[in-house]
Amino acid sequence: GQNIDQPTEMTATEGAIVQINCTYQTSGFNGLFWYQQHAGEAPTFLSYNVLDGLEEKGRFSSFLSRSKGYSYLLLKELQMKDSASYLCAVMESNYQLVWGAGTKLIIKP
Amino acid sequence: GAVVSQHPSWVICKSGTSVKIECRSLDFQATTMFWYRQFPKQSLMLMATSNEGSKATYEQGVEKDKFLINHASLTLSTLTVTSAHPEDSSFYICSARPAAGDQETQYFGPGTRLLVL
Repeated sequence: GQNIDQPTEMTATEGAIVQINCTYQTSGFNGLFWYQQHAGEAPTFLSYNVLDGLEEKGRFSSFLSRSKGYSYLLLKELQMKDSASYLCAVMESNYQLVWGAGTKLIIKP
Repeated sequence: GAVVSQHPSWVICKSGTSVKIECRSLDFQATTMFWYRQFPKQSLMLMATSNEGSKATYEQGVEKDKFLINHASLTLSTLTVTSAHPEDSSFYICSARPAAGDQETQYFGPGTRLLVL
């Protein structure tokens, strides 16, 4: 069956680093996405990993291990505006996205 | 580029009425559009996949007679919630896959918040 797990909530300090983990079990795999979603808004695209390894994009990096069914999103130099929910989503063989419940990230000064 | 709009952005209606939500790809053609629903503090749930010129494919548990989807052109898909009830109150989000491009690419609309009284 389909299952995507990520922590419900995390708290971090402004300027620090935080890692949000995601584990998945899905029917087939065509890549893993990370999205940022502010309250009341639609998700915005952050990253896409289809091969193992680390993808770095500015303050955000995303890592994938397909053999372990595991990914993480790493946020550096945290800013208050990074307070949001971070959604992990896996694209299955039929190119449909299966979504995690999201991790609410709270940034404290 | 790659902008998807939704209209209305929010709507309040009485129980029993029907509500239509539009999803438009403004600067690209979309052969496939997806409709999602998100309840508070929950993940996005795919309701249906809409393909231009053909019937929508609904996910298990989604009533096709209640949630009518029309994808009449390459830039417009509509979702009509018929005989809406308070439990239909939710955040409805569409996304569009460009006709030209990777299968992995989807662009999201800003969402429509529906409140049924």
